[in-house]
Amino acid sequence: EVQLVESGGGLIQPGGSLRLSCAASGFTVSTNYMTWVRQAPGKGLECVSVIYGGGTIYYADSVKGRFSISRDNSRNTLYLQMNSLRAEDTAVYYCARASGGYHLGYWGQGTLVIVSS
Amino acid sequence: DIQMTQSPSSLCASVGERVTITCRASQGITNSLAWYQQKPGEAPKLLLYGASTLESGVPSRFSGSGSGTDYTLAVSSLQPEDAATYYCQQYYSAPQTFGQGTKVEV
Repeated sequence: EVQLVESGGGLIQPGGSLRLSCAASGFTVSTNYMTWVRQAPGKGLECVSVIYGGGTIYYADSVKGRFSISRDNSRNTLYLQMNSLRAEDTAVYYCARASGGYHLGYWGQGTLVIVSS
Repeated sequence: DIQMTQSPSSLCASVGERVTITCRASQGITNSLAWYQQKPGEAPKLLLYGASTLESGVPSRFSGSGSGTDYTLAVSSLQPEDAATYYCQQYYSAPQTFGQGTKVEV
């Protein structure tokens, strides 16, 4: 059974850094298309970063230069390193995996990041 | 990035009614379109992909159609449990982009 469990969220001051983790089970992270999607309070969904099985990476313009996606094959875990955090980065962050093509068939429960002083 | 525009932003319909939600992409996405349902406090759930392929376990009252830049999600007979926000998403090019969502009240 595919499972995704996010962790690492919390309250952080503007300008600070946070690393989110997404522990996967039931499949291999390194061979799958994985993404981080966020949702600000009361708002819609935004894909902030993706990593293909082959290692190609993309970022949304809103986080480019501040966020970094990576994976640890030995831990079967996906990460999102978030630096220079801003109030507008406040959101629930979901990790998700593609099923079949690039549509997102598997989602974690999300982890809440609050950027506030 | 490809922009996705959904309409309407919200709707209210009665049980048994047919409802449709439209999604327009800023460029052609060759059916690389998915629809998701999200209920409050939950992660999104995949309903359809490839514009019209129903995900396993999703009720057959949900259907999708469209091509090029214009796509539609239809619910043939609205049920109380369909109250949710619905999002379209293009996965034609990275980073994937979502529509702004349509809140459906029943």
